[in-house]
Amino acid sequence: DAKTTQPTSMDCAEGRAANLPCNHSTISGNEYVYWYRQIHSQGPQYIIHGLKNNETNEMASLIITEDRKSSTLILPHATLRDTAVYYCIVRVARSQGNLIFGKGTKLSVKP
Amino acid sequence: NAGVTQTPKFRVLKTGQSMTLLCAQDMNHEYMYWYRQDPGMGLRLIHYSVGEGTTAKGEVPDGYNVSRLKKQNFLLGLESAAPSQTSVYFCASSYSNSISGNTIYFGEGSWLTVV
Repeated sequence: DAKTTQPTSMDCAEGRAANLPCNHSTISGNEYVYWYRQIHSQGPQYIIHGLKNNETNEMASLIITEDRKSSTLILPHATLRDTAVYYCIVRVARSQGNLIFGKGTKLSVKP
Repeated sequence: NAGVTQTPKFRVLKTGQSMTLLCAQDMNHEYMYWYRQDPGMGLRLIHYSVGEGTTAKGEVPDGYNVSRLKKQNFLLGLESAAPSQTSVYFCASSYSNSISGNTIYFGEGSWLTVV
């Protein structure tokens, strides 16, 4: 199963773009990259997912490298409410849809 | 549209007591999951269900039982609570295990303390 590596923590100034990296060098060709976030004491929230092409929605953009070994989640204009733990997850098809959560990146958005 | 709803949100149990956490979803999802999250750690899968009447073990199933008698409900039971089961419990659901990527939706969590 593909594993992911993320920095433990990052800071970002309010109003600036937050770029959260993730390494997934053992990802297989049919595995998707998912991003979730967890704001303190709340349930995880889906952000975005992708296979090989870059993706954008109302919350964020996902940039996946051509070799698919890494990706970056971009929050274009971070606000204080974006302070959360961000999880990069590679979907494990064999495990009946289970998401393997690591420890994620603690993003702190500062005024 | 309530999404995924968990009850109760908070509970304190004495060691050896039993209790049931209820999860309800109104999105007609086939798949449902129970996770636990301990301080400073990611979520770990306890049990899951791929459809009404089915259940399966996840990563940390010991000490828990589950039932899926109705498609919209997934119950997590603790027959004899232990302090090690003090945790935050999250229920989740999704349409199916399609590799094309169906999103998993989470409830807001149930805080359980066993003393």
